[in-house]
Amino acid sequence: EPEVTQTPSHQVTQMGQEVILRCVPISNHLYFYWYRQILGQKVEFLVSFYNNEISEKSEIFDDQFSVERPDGSNFTLKIRSTKLEDSAMYFCASRERASQPQHFGDGTRLSIL
Amino acid sequence: TQLLEQSPQFLSIQEGENLTVYCNSSSVFSSLQWYRQEPGEGPVLLVTVVTGGEVKKLKRLTFQFGDARKDSSLHITAAQTGDTGLYLCAGARYGGSQGNLIFGKGTKLSVKP
Repeated sequence: EPEVTQTPSHQVTQMGQEVILRCVPISNHLYFYWYRQILGQKVEFLVSFYNNEISEKSEIFDDQFSVERPDGSNFTLKIRSTKLEDSAMYFCASRERASQPQHFGDGTRLSIL
Repeated sequence: TQLLEQSPQFLSIQEGENLTVYCNSSSVFSSLQWYRQEPGEGPVLLVTVVTGGEVKKLKRLTFQFGDARKDSSLHITAAQTGDTGLYLCAGARYGGSQGNLIFGKGTKLSVKP
């Protein structure tokens, strides 16, 4: 069964550095999402992306964050100048159409030191 | 801010018992998904409910969407040790076109032999 894949599975970065988290959504999916889950807390929406542009973003998704679909398969989340509080699991999700449910990757655990 | 309250937060039962997990909100959702999440992995979709009053069955799991589309329940009959895990409900905002999900905090289920 097709699945969303995320790399790396674990990323350790010094505070202030930039990180790029990568996702390969399911191939025929058109809607893409990033969520994060801080340890012990609930999954939170960050941003949705459709038709090569951001369609919605949460208040968490400030100027520090950006997303890109650089080619036909990858979907990336960039965090500039990371902070300690950015440490979390970051999940990518995709869905085929607006009426379909979202399917999640296994996440990238981001640890900021 | 839309919230999804899940209860109970923790549930420990013996194999063979029945259980119900609840997901409540004061807001209306266009659809509601139930996911199961294992440690270190992403949420895996169990079911989507869309219509108020809808009931869906997945083997020993029964999912119900409230008539007003503000609440949902997951009932497990004759629980097995393999049902152990974190169960998450997630709602798509009514009127939200891009379907970003609002998650509950989850119910951590432990089924003992």
